[in-house]
Amino acid sequence: KQEVTQIPAALSVPEGENLVLNCSFTDSAIYNLQWFRQDPGKGLTSLLLIQSSQREQTSGRLNASLDKSSGRSTLYIAASQPGDSATYLCAVRRRANSKLTFGKGITLSVRP
Amino acid sequence: DARVTQTPRHKVTEMGQEVTMRCQPILGHNTVFWYRQTMMQGLELLAYFRNRAPLDDSGMPKDRFSAEMPDATLATLKIQPSEPRDSAVYFCASGLAHKERTTYNEQFFGPGTRLTVL
Repeated sequence: KQEVTQIPAALSVPEGENLVLNCSFTDSAIYNLQWFRQDPGKGLTSLLLIQSSQREQTSGRLNASLDKSSGRSTLYIAASQPGDSATYLCAVRRRANSKLTFGKGITLSVRP
Repeated sequence: DARVTQTPRHKVTEMGQEVTMRCQPILGHNTVFWYRQTMMQGLELLAYFRNRAPLDDSGMPKDRFSAEMPDATLATLKIQPSEPRDSAVYFCASGLAHKERTTYNEQFFGPGTRLTVL
């Protein structure tokens, strides 16, 4: 059974720092991996999706990498801003069109 | 502005009452997912549908939960009877599963229904 782990559960950093959020999964046989952002009281917004054949994806100040063989992904946030404060969840999909298995998320607080 | 909508946004009910949550997926999407989110368990998949057919409802307590898609524009999740341990935020998500274009696998989430069972 696939398990997705995100450690630490919470992180607080000063504005302007570059930071890395980690995600690990137990079964490396994944189809793709998706990073989401969740603001308090809101739904999830997809940030980046990495196919298993890819090593990384970039969108603005965000860069997600994938090391499938070691069961790890990282979300890199450059020059963090208070508006980046949210919970970041990663999720993996075992095969095409199948369900996502989620980690519990990392709650990020960026201090002005 | 295509988005997933869910109603109601908030529901407070008493133990034993029936609760029905509704979801309107993004027009054209053919997969619908129901998730439950709690502090303790995080996000758990309850059920999902493709082309209105249930594909996986193994995460759903069958004795009290039921999920249906009466048509392509409406998905429902029903709890009867509700219990305090059902208190959570219930999310619906939709996506497009396409045989050839399997990269189109992103899920788009609704705002959720926050359920409180007293």
